Order: sequence, then C-alpha cells, then structure tokens
Amino acid sequence: SQTIHQWPATLVQPVGSPLSLECTVEGTSNPNLYWYRQAAGRGLQLLFYSVGIGQISSEVPQNLSASRPQDRQFILSSKKLLLSDSGFYLCAWSPGLAGGEQFFGPGTRLTVL
Amino acid sequence: AQKVTQAQTEISVVEKEDVTLDCVYETRDTTYYLFWYKQPPSGELVFLIRRNSFDEQNEISGRYSWNFQKSTSSFNFTITASQVVDSAVYFCALSEEGGASGSRLTFGEGTQLTVNP
Repeated sequence: SQTIHQWPATLVQPVGSPLSLECTVEGTSNPNLYWYRQAAGRGLQLLFYSVGIGQISSEVPQNLSASRPQDRQFILSSKKLLLSDSGFYLCAWSPGLAGGEQFFGPGTRLTVL
Repeated sequence: AQKVTQAQTEISVVEKEDVTLDCVYETRDTTYYLFWYKQPPSGELVFLIRRNSFDEQNEISGRYSWNFQKSTSSFNFTITASQVVDSAVYFCALSEEGGASGSRLTFGEGTQLTVNP
C-alpha cells in the first residue's frame, strides 16, 4: 500500500531564515506530487505541483520554491522566510491519471516568528 | 476558472442528528471530478469520496451519503445519526480533467462541523 511522509511535523523559524520541508511517497511510481498551504481557519491553497522528476509548476508567485530530485521526493524551500509564510503545509500525491483523488501527508506546522 | 463554495462556515449539531454540508461548484469543463475530504483536529486530510461529472448516481457509505446534482452544480454531503467522532472540518473540492497538468484540486473554504454529546 502507498504511504506518504512529511517532516518535520512542526517547525518554528525566525524571519529571514531558510526553510526545507521534505515529502516522500512509498509504494507507487511516477506519482503526481503537490504542495498546499493552509492558513489558520482557511481552505487549502495549491502552491506547487509536479508530474515528473525536475518538472515543477508554480501556482502562486512567492518566496517559496519546490524541487523534485527523485521520483518520489518533493521538497519545499525558501531562502528567507516571511511572517506570512506561517501555516500548515500539506504534501499530497495522486496517480498519474486525470481526476485522480489526492492522498495527503500528515502535514508540517510552520510558525515564523 | 473553477470555484467551489461552501457557504456554511460552521455547523453545530447534537449527537444523532442528521446534518447536510452544502457544496456548490463552478466550472466550464464538461468533464470534471468532485471530492469530499475530512480534516480531523490532527490536521491530516482524509479522502472520503470521488465523483466524476458523468455519474450522477447518489452514493451511500454507512452513515455517509452524497447527492450530486449537475442541474444545480451541487454536491452535498449528508451524515446520518451524527456522532462526536464526526467533528471535523469538511472540504469539498473540484478537479478538471487535468491531463498533462495533473489532477489539480480547487478546494472550498471548508465547513467546521461540531457534534455535541
């Protein structure tokens, strides 16, 4: 069966510091991968998605970036965090099919101080 | 552009009551997919159901049922005989056919359901 991991689970970082969040998927090949952000009490905003290694599409211009160095690894990064980057970050995967359901990881709660 | 509206921000019911969560969507595509997810206090989103635009049959799974009506662009979710464990935020989502872009989901803002004992 497929599983999706995210780490760290929680993170507190000062403004201006770098960020690296990691997501890995097990039990499947060539998944579509996604990064979402959820601000407190709000819906989910798609940040990035990837349909293959090295292929990244950005949905929202910001100071975040994503990379996919391996088939089942998706990394979210920032060189300098802003206060507005605080939130709950969720990674998800879906089969490489149109309209396939997405399966979410446990999330990372990021607080920028 | 696609859009999902969940007009009910918060709903509070007493255990054993039935509750319906509303979802209205907008899309220009003729082929699309609708989803419901549950987000318990732990934060992880749990997939509940996927429906494609060509299948308007209602679905029942235990205490959960879904009513899909293309004529009103709605995909409502009903919990029968609610339980305290149903307390969570529920999200409705829409995906257009995607193809090379993958199945990108547009989420509604969510409905916070509280079931009181």
